[in-house]
Amino acid sequence: DAGVIQSPRHEVTEMGQEVTLRCKPISGHDYLFWYRQTMMRGLELLIYFNNNVPIDDSGMPEDRFSAKMPNASFSTLKIQPSEPRDSAVYFCASTPVRGVTGELFFGEGSRLTVL
Amino acid sequence: GQQLNQSPQSMFIQEGEDVSMNCTSSSIFNTWLWYKQDPGEGPVLLIALYKAGELTSNGRLTAQFGITRKDSFLNISASIPSDVGIYFCAGHRAGTASKLTFGTGTRLQVTL
Repeated sequence: DAGVIQSPRHEVTEMGQEVTLRCKPISGHDYLFWYRQTMMRGLELLIYFNNNVPIDDSGMPEDRFSAKMPNASFSTLKIQPSEPRDSAVYFCASTPVRGVTGELFFGEGSRLTVL
Repeated sequence: GQQLNQSPQSMFIQEGEDVSMNCTSSSIFNTWLWYKQDPGEGPVLLIALYKAGELTSNGRLTAQFGITRKDSFLNISASIPSDVGIYFCAGHRAGTASKLTFGTGTRLQVTL
């Protein structure tokens, strides 16, 4: 079975540019999560969706960040404009409805470097 | 956001040695989970614990859900080189969908 698929794996951009990260969750999983990982702050939950609807976006750092889930098989995380402090690894994760106990399936991550 | 306190931060051990790490919280969780992250990859679930006092094994890994529900322990026996990576604990509270609180991580290095 295909796991959670993220793209791009690596992105290097300049400050001020728009960045779009993409995620395809595991088929049949109704929850989708976006996490950010840095050395200083560890794994932080940014936002999560249930059945394509954003449920909790309290972890989104500021208005420069936005996330969408137009359908059950696709989600995007957008940063506009990007700043050097946004450099991190961004993970997408999904879980089925029955998995309400925290068993998340993570993608391989998108490593973002903002110069 | 809140993070769980995980210790030790890092460990350097020799192949064949046993490893112990733990995770503590100031608040109660209903589920404790342990994930492993290999370099350049996303975290992968190792063990999930659902009841206070529960002791669960997965091969050479054994984890326990603390009686107070505020802590958890992970032991790895007879470590091998492929055990290298970062180990994260995570806590989940009932009624929060699958929203997890992650620990700060324990980086494990295994030398031959």
